[in-house]
Amino acid sequence: NAGVTQTPKFQVLKTGQSMTLQCAQDMNHNSMYWYRQDPGMGLRLIYYSASEGTTDKGEVPNGYNVSRLNKREFSLRLESAAPSQTSVYFCASSFGNFPNEKLFFGSGTQLSVL
Amino acid sequence: AQTVTQSQPEMSVQEAETVTLSCTYDTSENNYYLFWYKQPPSRQMILVIRQEAYKQQNATENRFSVNFQKAAKSFSLKISDSQLGDTAMYFCAFMGTETGANSKLTFGKGITLSVRP
Repeated sequence: NAGVTQTPKFQVLKTGQSMTLQCAQDMNHNSMYWYRQDPGMGLRLIYYSASEGTTDKGEVPNGYNVSRLNKREFSLRLESAAPSQTSVYFCASSFGNFPNEKLFFGSGTQLSVL
Repeated sequence: AQTVTQSQPEMSVQEAETVTLSCTYDTSENNYYLFWYKQPPSRQMILVIRQEAYKQQNATENRFSVNFQKAAKSFSLKISDSQLGDTAMYFCAFMGTETGANSKLTFGKGITLSVRP
């Protein structure tokens, strides 16, 4: 049972390039989330999807877009990467809405924007 | 706005001993959730323990327990019988319940715990 799988694990971009971070979960969870973690800090919510077909902004959505492709997959897209988006990105999922349900995290994507 | 404070940047404990990690928070809400997350070198965020503010009983999960003092807004984590695998960064986090799933999950800055053999 893989849990939450994120790809890629590492990525280096130049300013202005675009890329998509992929996330998939195999736990039949309804809700999925994207967080970013900056050095010495905890996580901040970028976007979340409470159920298939719905997405909503979190705390720091600017510069990002998301797609809930199906129940399993939730992708995060950077259309024009900026150095301020250098961070570690975590995907997470839960059966119902957090905090009523436990969050399960992927192992993160280290993104550097030069 | 909620704030979470972890004033100790790092701690060290001998294997098999007990260690307590401190956390204080500030909020005007009456109902909320508090969490301790573990982040080992593998980077994955792992939920250690969760406390719901309306429950007076302190949460426990095997070797992990909390001391939740609502009036003092304090939420410390006690790790008993420390193991080498407990070496990690630990984050205290707060979430209110007023705005649903997109409620802001506020983290402290974390504490690096090292377990010595």
